[in-house]
Amino acid sequence: DTEVTQTPKHLVMGMTNKKSLKCEQHMGHRAMYWYKQKAKKPPELMFVYSYEKLSINESVPSRFSPECPNSSLLNLHLHALQPEDSALYLCASSRGPESGEQFFGPGTRLTVL
Amino acid sequence: AQSVTQLGSHVSVSEGALVLLRCNYSSSVPPYLFWYVQYPNQGLQLLLKYTSAATLVKGINGFEAEFKKSETSFHLTKPSAHMSDAAEYFCAVSDRGSSNTGKLIFGQGTTLQVKP
Repeated sequence: DTEVTQTPKHLVMGMTNKKSLKCEQHMGHRAMYWYKQKAKKPPELMFVYSYEKLSINESVPSRFSPECPNSSLLNLHLHALQPEDSALYLCASSRGPESGEQFFGPGTRLTVL
Repeated sequence: AQSVTQLGSHVSVSEGALVLLRCNYSSSVPPYLFWYVQYPNQGLQLLLKYTSAATLVKGINGFEAEFKKSETSFHLTKPSAHMSDAAEYFCAVSDRGSSNTGKLIFGQGTTLQVKP
């Protein structure tokens, strides 16, 4: 299995909702990443998990809460989001944080009403 | 600090013509360099990577890139464009500093349009 999967593909939520995004990989990778991407822009790094520990938080608002239950799974919990949080959320993984090459999932298209 | 500059936010070529997408980087240490492609409403797919082996790197779909240290460049080329090459292309450099954070620093992207 050489892919990163993300669910759901699309998500529409209100500003008072709580929802979660899920990411999974079975490549034995030990680093996983969350990115946010706005239209016509490069991905912006949000969080890095290295060996199941949060190693980077790029000053992301607390309404985004990451979780890494095990080495294959990465979640992003969403609560009280704003319309400007609407974006494509991408998950990626790599063999380790030092390997450089990251494999991306297809993304979750999030719309906040 | 590392950075990436992609020259030209939009490139248009005719089908069958040469594709050249430009990328210049800044890095205080030997870099890892990458080209990714993104089709509409999809994730990023790795086209090719430079990791300090051969300076001419061949990737998927007929793309290649040459690492030129003297010019701090890593331009992406393809001899003959296909309609299916129309997409967004991102050049990226990896943070290989002592922190080994794994951060990828992306350029702003280049939209490739292929005209019939």
